[in-house]
Amino acid sequence: QVQLQQWGAGLLKPSETLSLTCAVYGGSFSGYYWTWIRQPPGKGLDWIGEINYSGSTNYNPSLKSRVTISVDTSKNHFSLKLNSVTAADTAVYYCARAYTVGASKNVFDVWGQGTVVTVSS
Amino acid sequence: QSVLTQPPSASGTPGQRVTISCSGSSSNIGYNTVNWYQQLPGTAPKLLIYSNYQRPSGVPDRFSGSRSGTSASLAISGLQSEDEADYYCAAWDDSLKRPVFGGGTKLTVL
Repeated sequence: QVQLQQWGAGLLKPSETLSLTCAVYGGSFSGYYWTWIRQPPGKGLDWIGEINYSGSTNYNPSLKSRVTISVDTSKNHFSLKLNSVTAADTAVYYCARAYTVGASKNVFDVWGQGTVVTVSS
Repeated sequence: QSVLTQPPSASGTPGQRVTISCSGSSSNIGYNTVNWYQQLPGTAPKLLIYSNYQRPSGVPDRFSGSRSGTSASLAISGLQSEDEADYYCAAWDDSLKRPVFGGGTKLTVL
């Protein structure tokens, strides 16, 4: 079955750039949107953005100015960059697969294990 | 402040039936389907219900979902200790043009 494995730096200083990558194993890379979602400590889930096989992206407007999501189809990887981080960006970051079934958009059916990112001086 | 509103906590004893509500608006739940996710302590969320009431393969039929107007509900019957987790509702929002989540409900099995 499809598995997502993610990695990246876990400790950043304010103003640095967060960089995470997620690898897709065991399934098709095309036909889905590949997504980043974060969860601040003790809080709920927050959608960051998504990318598809052809590189088409959608971003959360509240983060759009700082976010870049890219894809490497040769490796079945997709990546997240968030620049100018602050303490407010401290969270667990998840990658996930999103699909549309019928009228249901953004069904997140496969998730990565999560990466704890802490922003502290 | 989450776009979808859930009660912060819920509880029940083993064998009981509990429900978790999720309230939204016409821009999200009112015209779009609802998905539910279960997050066990220290793990990534897991898809529990999609398209309001559909269960992915492997999810027990003790879990059921429904939607009415601008609200949705998740019901868990025959409550078990392993159901103790955080539960999140989610839906597409036509105004915000992105998926939105509830703040989560922490379910305690007494």
